[in-house]
Amino acid sequence: DAGITQSPRHKVTETGTPVTLRCHQTENHRYMYWYRQDPGHGLRLIHYSYGVKDTDKGEVSDGYSVSRSKTEDFLLTLESATSSQTSVYFCAISESRRPSSHQPQHFGDGTRLSIL
Amino acid sequence: QQQVKQSPQSLIVQKGGISIINCAYENTAFDYFPWYQQFPGKGPALLIAIRPDVSEKKEGRFTISFNKSAKQFSLHIMDSQPGDSATYFCAASETSGSRLTFGEGTQLTVNP
Repeated sequence: DAGITQSPRHKVTETGTPVTLRCHQTENHRYMYWYRQDPGHGLRLIHYSYGVKDTDKGEVSDGYSVSRSKTEDFLLTLESATSSQTSVYFCAISESRRPSSHQPQHFGDGTRLSIL
Repeated sequence: QQQVKQSPQSLIVQKGGISIINCAYENTAFDYFPWYQQFPGKGPALLIAIRPDVSEKKEGRFTISFNKSAKQFSLHIMDSQPGDSATYFCAASETSGSRLTFGEGTQLTVNP
């Protein structure tokens, strides 16, 4: 398995509080991604990073921010959590920018976030 | 607006049977179509992928069939086993693109 650790694995918090999820990789891959998984929607890209301090928005980026100060760490922050952000969050890493390359995206085991 | 539509949402198959999951896409610029398999409590993992220059790709018991004119592709699991019970996602991207667009997912249960 690709060396990806997501923390925490589970979190329950209240509406309006800030939340930070961490993704840590030991593969030295350049590209890192944050997805959310919801029933009926599959996985949707929130933000991704193509290098230290280089990030870009995905299709559902509103309400989320990210930071990448080191190659191995990619942080996802919910500045003021809302109930609509209750979801399972997955981090993924890749050696290549293109999913169509022979270096596929490898996923972590997810963080289950509940916002009450 | 879902650019990749997947069906069925859930599927129950007997051991030894054939499981078939279908996907349809709208964006004609998509030219890479992977399938991911996800077990409970785990992240998705790449299972098999196809490009539109071929109509079929087989790896072991897993086959992707691709119909470019209909903008549809499907996953066939032959001789389905209880260990195949998982959620399956189709996805699509452009060769030059940096993003995967996922279908809604299909929960497959293979009964012993």
